[in-house]
Amino acid sequence: DSGVTQTPKHLITATGQRVTLRCSPRSGDLSVYWYQQSLDQGLQFLIQYYNGEERAKGNILERFSAQQFPDLHSELNLSSLELGDSALYFCASSVADKLNTEAFFGQGTRLTVV
Amino acid sequence: LAKTTQPISMDSYEGQEVNITCSHNNIATNDYITWYQQFPSQGPRFIIQGYKTKVTNEVASLFIPADRKSSTLSLPRVSLSDTAVYYCLVGAPQTGANNLFFGTGTRLTVIP
Repeated sequence: DSGVTQTPKHLITATGQRVTLRCSPRSGDLSVYWYQQSLDQGLQFLIQYYNGEERAKGNILERFSAQQFPDLHSELNLSSLELGDSALYFCASSVADKLNTEAFFGQGTRLTVV
Repeated sequence: LAKTTQPISMDSYEGQEVNITCSHNNIATNDYITWYQQFPSQGPRFIIQGYKTKVTNEVASLFIPADRKSSTLSLPRVSLSDTAVYYCLVGAPQTGANNLFFGTGTRLTVIP
């Protein structure tokens, strides 16, 4: 158990809909990272927040947005969903504000868009 | 921005040492090299990180030559539980770096 909690574990929704994925980082960690893992694209970094502020942005679509709240939990919002958005979405956390650092990953949310 | 190339798969017998090499020809001066392990339907797990020469921890060793254009993850005496996908990634650790690239990963299968 990494200490990072993601909910829900599974999500099935229709095209065009909007969903919110939630992540609770390890106790004491200030950074939260979001990743997308799909069969054709592999593991892709989406975005990083540190202590409530955006720190780094990767291949995140404009239809996607994220935020980190004062209690340090984070949410990833995916809107106007397309079939190609079906993937595993991972959240990771670390104590540092660095990008390439030891990070602890959650178990992921499997999103299926039908 | 540096990208990585790894073998798609490798097989090894239990008890053997396994070396997985990652190429990163365009690595930048500030980039670090990090390796993660991932089991099916689980999130990746950090193994080791290095900048140059050799780094060793209780799980693995990481060898980085002087030109830093490649790196080798060494797993001593693998067991069946080491069957997983191993990812090499490079990127700058500092705040503000714009991206972090995971490779395609190497699927290691340990055979009894």
